[in-house]
Amino acid sequence: GAGVSQSPSNKVTEKGKDVELRCDPISGHTALYWYRQSLGQGLEFLIYFQGNSAPDKSGLPSDRFSAERTGGSVSTLTIQRTQQEDSAVYLCASSPGTRLGYTFGSGTRLTVV
Amino acid sequence: SQQGEEDPQALSIQEGENATMNCSYKTSINNLQWYRQNSGRGLVHLILIRSNEREKHSGRLRVTLDTSKKSSSLLITASRAADTASYFCATGLGFGNEKLTFGTGTRLTIIP
Repeated sequence: GAGVSQSPSNKVTEKGKDVELRCDPISGHTALYWYRQSLGQGLEFLIYFQGNSAPDKSGLPSDRFSAERTGGSVSTLTIQRTQQEDSAVYLCASSPGTRLGYTFGSGTRLTVV
Repeated sequence: SQQGEEDPQALSIQEGENATMNCSYKTSINNLQWYRQNSGRGLVHLILIRSNEREKHSGRLRVTLDTSKKSSSLLITASRAADTASYFCATGLGFGNEKLTFGTGTRLTIIP
């Protein structure tokens, strides 16, 4: 597609439920990143996929968080047993690997009630 | 943890004035980038400056980088109402690792 697509744009879930957030990067972009942003805060790095290399998971806050990237394209971020502190906007970005600079999606606003 | 810290946290200026935002960081970097965010959603890449550059221009934007002070500034000249947004600096290590570390952001409001 022309841009980075994220779905859903908004998600309200009950505490304790699992959620899946999807990111469809720009075709051909080898690198994909997940960040989250709490209200009025900066971006917190979660995970980074680069080509066929092992992902950099150093930013995942707990083992309730996991992500995968299938076929080097679409990525899914899964949060198990959601907690209220997981409420945030989850942003996905991709980059081509041949030049610097990200293209961001519009994000998924997750609200845990 | 946040690598970059923007200063000020919030800035309000009259339309037509120039806006200056600053960013400080802690470790050696390969490049520094500035992004704009409207309405708390996706960020837009504005400009990138490499560690061996001191100044870069793009339209009404001017970025400076002082690696000895580990700081950068973003200047927006002749501000417009549409420039109202949050601005973030982000630092990268390069060398094939494009992971960026973002600062805390400056909220810029342009008063018509």
